Amino acid sequence: GENVEQHPSTLSVQEGDSAVIKCTYSDSASNYFPWYKQELGKGPQLIIDIRSNVGEKKDQRIAVTLNKTAKHFSLHITETQPEDSAVYFCAAAAAGNKLTFGGGTRVLVKP
Amino acid sequence: NAGVTQTPKFQVLKTGQSMTLQCAQDMNHEYMSWYRQDPGMGLRLIHYSVGAGITDQGEVPNGYNVSRSTTEDFPLRLLSAAPSQTSVYFCASSPAGTGPGSPLHFGNGTRLTVT
Repeated sequence: GENVEQHPSTLSVQEGDSAVIKCTYSDSASNYFPWYKQELGKGPQLIIDIRSNVGEKKDQRIAVTLNKTAKHFSLHITETQPEDSAVYFCAAAAAGNKLTFGGGTRVLVKP
Repeated sequence: NAGVTQTPKFQVLKTGQSMTLQCAQDMNHEYMSWYRQDPGMGLRLIHYSVGAGITDQGEVPNGYNVSRSTTEDFPLRLLSAAPSQTSVYFCASSPAGTGPGSPLHFGNGTRLTVT
């Protein structure tokens, strides 16, 4: 089955700096790659997703890039703010299959 | 707009006890699923359902049962609780089958402790 590795497990950045989280996946059939943000005491919430026919997608301060050849994808957060502090999960899915999640990255934005 | 509602929020069980975690969604989603979240291990799929009357196993199904008699409800049953089932449980739903491109909507979780 699919295996998703996520790095780093924790990330501390200064407010205003950029944060990058990287994920690799094992199943070359995977073609959907969402990112979720989880705040304390809440369930994960989708923040951005990308499909295999797209190399990059941007939504305001958040962007995701996908390299299907290397089987990795990344989340980029620019101009970080304190409210970006949370746990972020990447995930991958192939057609007809379920989402497999990475282990999560705890991001701390220091004011 | 309730979305996905999970009850209870917290539960403490003794080893060997059974219980049911409730999950209800009001978005008319066909797909529902249960995940458990453990530190450093992300979310792992326990069971899922693509519609009423249809369920299937995920990555870690042992010790858990599910049923889907209505579109709205997807309860998770622990048959005989074990300390290894101490975790945070999330129910999630999406509007279309199991195909990719269908974002999951999560509940706020049930924190279960088994002593």
